[in-house]
Amino acid sequence: KAGVTQTPRYLIKTRGQQVTLSCSPISGHRSVSWYQQTPGQGLQFLFEYFSETQRNKGNFPGRFSGRQFSNSRSEMNVSTLELGDSALYLCASSPDRGRLSYGYTFGSGTRLTVV
Amino acid sequence: GNSVTQMEGPVTLSEEAFLTINCTYTATGYPSLFWYVQYPGEGLQLLLKATKADDKGSNKGFEATYRKETTSFHLEKGSVQVSDSAVYFCALNAGNNRKLIWGLGTSLAVNP
Repeated sequence: KAGVTQTPRYLIKTRGQQVTLSCSPISGHRSVSWYQQTPGQGLQFLFEYFSETQRNKGNFPGRFSGRQFSNSRSEMNVSTLELGDSALYLCASSPDRGRLSYGYTFGSGTRLTVV
Repeated sequence: GNSVTQMEGPVTLSEEAFLTINCTYTATGYPSLFWYVQYPGEGLQLLLKATKADDKGSNKGFEATYRKETTSFHLEKGSVQVSDSAVYFCALNAGNNRKLIWGLGTSLAVNP
């Protein structure tokens, strides 16, 4: 069974640009969540999608957005990049619909560097 | 609100030493508790979990017991290996909110 696939692995962008990150969940998983990981703030929840609908959203500005397609693949977009957006962005998939009893399966992440 | 507190690292041990990484939590109701591990340059891997009080999660020689009375979920391993060098994260999920609340992570270095 293929794992969670995130592309690209690494990105370097200039301040003010926008970026789109992609995530393909494990086959059969309909829930996709995104997390930002930084040394200073640790892991912070961005949003969760289930069946193409955003179910939960973290405390990030509107520059951070996402979507999910009918095949459960998800993208997140960050517009008007700031230096502080440099982070590892992790995608996670889960088969759950209710409580998160089984945890997530994470991808390897996309390392975004904003210069 | 819900929160997770982990012992600060880094933790440095010799091979075959005993490992304990402390994790305590604050949450309403009965959260599910998780330990994840992150190897250098990689994403997070689920190490073990427990979904109710007194449950013991175990995997790859690691264990953690869900202690409701002390709101703790300490990670232990009897004999660490160099290959266990990684960052370990404690996390919880509470209620119907499907997001994980994370500790800040504990870096473990095991020397041969």
